[in-house]
Amino acid sequence: GDSVTQMEGPVTLSEEAFLTINCTYTATGYPSLFWYVQYPGEGLQLLLKATKADDKGSNKGFEATYRKETTSFHLEKGSVQVSDSAVYFCALWQNFNKFYFGSGTKLNVKP
Amino acid sequence: GAVVSQHPSRVICKSGTSVKIECRSLDFQATTMFWYRQFPKKSLMLMATSNEGSKATYEQGVEKDKFLINHASLTLSTLTVTSAHPEDSSFYICSARAGQGGSRTEAFFGQGTRLTVV
Repeated sequence: GDSVTQMEGPVTLSEEAFLTINCTYTATGYPSLFWYVQYPGEGLQLLLKATKADDKGSNKGFEATYRKETTSFHLEKGSVQVSDSAVYFCALWQNFNKFYFGSGTKLNVKP
Repeated sequence: GAVVSQHPSRVICKSGTSVKIECRSLDFQATTMFWYRQFPKKSLMLMATSNEGSKATYEQGVEKDKFLINHASLTLSTLTVTSAHPEDSSFYICSARAGQGGSRTEAFFGQGTRLTVV
């Protein structure tokens, strides 16, 4: 069945460090891929998305490229800030019907 | 982007009572709404999918008599936790999907409801 696997956290970085959070997926067909961010005590906010192979989603300095050949959608940011500390979820949406979420990766950014 | 409002954001109730959580799409018509449960430090688990005017479809292992879902209009879905017990304490999040064209490529999430049963 469809599934998403993302790297376990927590990930702890110093401010201005480079961030990569790995995400791979298993799916039939051509799902859309998403990264969501969750701040403490809040719901999910869409960070970026890609709807087809080779698309690059980007927002607030974050980027992820839909790689069908490696079934990956890794999240990257060149210089993280303390305000980026949150939990990040990779997700795939199959047939606009059902989301499959990864387990979430907690990011801690230290000043 | 579209806004989904979930209410209340926090609720504390006594064991044995029922709690209703509302999910509203504020600026679009949501033909489909999803309800998720999130355990501490865990990912989101889909509980059920509801289409406006139809009975909800529950995921395996979710008690439909305990978690009553109503999607009576295109802008409102409710989740009622009946006879709540401490093990029902969790973070519940709704999501709404619009019905047509390009808007179907995205679902929008509410801010979540923290339920504590004492």
